Amino acid sequence: NAGVTQTPKFQVLKTGQSMTLQCAQDMNHEYMSWYRQDPGMGLRLIHYSVGAGITDQGEVPNGYNVSRSTTEDFPLRLLSAAPSQTSVYFCASSWVRGGTYEQYFGPGTRLTVT
Amino acid sequence: SQQGEEDPQALSIQEGENATMNCSYKTSINNLQWYRQNSGRGLVHLILIRSNEREKHSGRLRVTLDTSKKSSSLLITASRAADTASYFCATGKTGANNLFFGTGTRLTVIP
Repeated sequence: NAGVTQTPKFQVLKTGQSMTLQCAQDMNHEYMSWYRQDPGMGLRLIHYSVGAGITDQGEVPNGYNVSRSTTEDFPLRLLSAAPSQTSVYFCASSWVRGGTYEQYFGPGTRLTVT
Repeated sequence: SQQGEEDPQALSIQEGENATMNCSYKTSINNLQWYRQNSGRGLVHLILIRSNEREKHSGRLRVTLDTSKKSSSLLITASRAADTASYFCATGKTGANNLFFGTGTRLTVIP
């Protein structure tokens, strides 16, 4: 199993550009999520999904869009990048069966917006 | 925000010593999890404790949970240089997989 994979590892954008961060998992997990991590802070939830076709907002959803067309993939789209979106982005997945289970994290994407 | 807080923010110990990290949170929870993050890497799950449990062990890890004080502690015994990492607590609520992370404790174990 590859687990949770993310691409790209690094990205530099100019203000106003758009891009998609890719996330895939091969563990057949129903739940997938995106977090951002900023210096001195923990991870903050951006968007999440409990299954294909179902997405919802987390703590900090503004400026980001998601979709979940398959169980495996959960891309995160930045519509018009802003310097405030400079961060490290992590994708995570887990099962959803009558409780809360450990989450498996990808290696992260380091995004810089200039 | 439901984000928790870890204490201390940074901890430096000698190899072989024990390391204790504390986590406080604000709302009622279903479970509390601890994760480790090595520099530049993703998070790795260490241990999960449910709200009806008071203590849990896994290898050199011991976690306690006091729901009346809304706090948890992570003890790493006989620390090793490889334990050098940031440690985060995360809380989960009933009926949802969403986790709310604390700010982390940076542990340095000196060989």
